[in-house]
Amino acid sequence: GAGVSQTPSNKVTEKGKYVELRCDPISGHTALYWYRQSLGQGPEFLIYFQGTGAADDSGLPNDRFFAVRPEGSVSTLKIQRTERGDSAVYLCASSPGGATPLTDTQYFGPGTRLTVL
Amino acid sequence: AQSVTQLDSQVPVFEEAPVELRCNYSSSVSVYLFWYVQYPNQGLQLLLKYLSGSTLVKGINGFEAEFNKSQTSFHLRKPSVHISDTAEYFCAVTDGGFKTIFGAGTRLFVKA
Repeated sequence: GAGVSQTPSNKVTEKGKYVELRCDPISGHTALYWYRQSLGQGPEFLIYFQGTGAADDSGLPNDRFFAVRPEGSVSTLKIQRTERGDSAVYLCASSPGGATPLTDTQYFGPGTRLTVL
Repeated sequence: AQSVTQLDSQVPVFEEAPVELRCNYSSSVSVYLFWYVQYPNQGLQLLLKYLSGSTLVKGINGFEAEFNKSQTSFHLRKPSVHISDTAEYFCAVTDGGFKTIFGAGTRLFVKA
């Protein structure tokens, strides 16, 4: 079956603009994660969804960042008033979830490269 | 708070030579440990994970890692590397919360 997909693959925007990044998880996966990967760094946790609800959003850097998953499948990461420091690759991952989400294998998408000019 | 340190940012090695990529973690509680690989222009892929039990974990593509609780390490090894192993490798840890903490990565470069 299809893996995790993310759109767009690249997004260039101007400082102050609003952007939306989309993640389509593997069908049937209830757990979904967003990460941010800056150049030369490992992925940095942003938010974790179990189903439709955000079980842990402690990694969101500030209130300009928001994520939704209204039907428990597709998720959208929204960034308001973008800043140059938001430039990074945004990764999405999904896992089966269920009783032991913490030890599940996470399946990563190819990422969206966001550039804020 | 948890943290992960990958001691080498880059590791050059000749084809068919053995390799070890080092990873140390800090956590005050029991942990689950992972190694992920990122090939050029591809997404991260799980190589192996330690959850419990045997401290020697075998993964895909001939890689293995050993969990050493006393040294808080989880080093990745392969006895003979191939050109196709050239990639970035990430060590990661979770303590049972929802957050996975990744190291900064080690770039393995296999030379012919």
